[in-house]
Amino acid sequence: EAGVTQSPTHLIKTRGQQATLRCSPISGHTSVYWYQQALGLGLQFLLWYDEGEERNRGNFPPRFSGRQFPNYSSELNVNALELEDSALYLCASRLGRGPEMSNEQFFGPGTRLTVL
Amino acid sequence: GNSVTQMEGPVTLSEEAFLTINCTYTATGYPSLFWYVQYPGEGLQLLLKATKADDKGSNKGFEATYRKETTSFHLEKGSVQVSDSAVYFCALMPFGGSARQLTFGSGTQLTVLP
Repeated sequence: EAGVTQSPTHLIKTRGQQATLRCSPISGHTSVYWYQQALGLGLQFLLWYDEGEERNRGNFPPRFSGRQFPNYSSELNVNALELEDSALYLCASRLGRGPEMSNEQFFGPGTRLTVL
Repeated sequence: GNSVTQMEGPVTLSEEAFLTINCTYTATGYPSLFWYVQYPGEGLQLLLKATKADDKGSNKGFEATYRKETTSFHLEKGSVQVSDSAVYFCALMPFGGSARQLTFGSGTQLTVLP
């Protein structure tokens, strides 16, 4: 069974540009999470999508946005890039959102975003 | 709010040494607790988990016990190997509610020397 996939592996942008990162969850998983792993700041929750809707977002400015498609894949968009947006962006998928569903999240390999 | 406090690193051990990485948490109710491992250049892999008090999660020789009374979930391994060198993250997910995302500790870098 294929795991969570993310593309691209690396992305280099300049300040002020927009970045689009993509994630495909494990087949059958409806929940997709995005996390930012910036140097020295640990792993921070960004966004959670389930069944096409945004369910929760972390403490990030509105220029971080995303969406989930009918096939449950997801896209993270970062507008007006700033130098401090340079980080590893990790996507994770989970079977579903209800408390009765497994809590386990499966992570992809990440997209390394570098803002110059 | 929810938080996870993890033992500061980096930790350097010799092969076959005993490992403990401390983790304590703050959360309401009964969260699920996890240990994730991140090898160089890779994403996160679930190492083990526990969903209720006194549960013991175990995998690949690693163990952690969910201690409600001390709000702790310390990671242990009796004999580490060079291949265990990685960053280890303790995390929690609250039970119920809308905030069903992981809250992570700061990570502990483990280096095992031959």
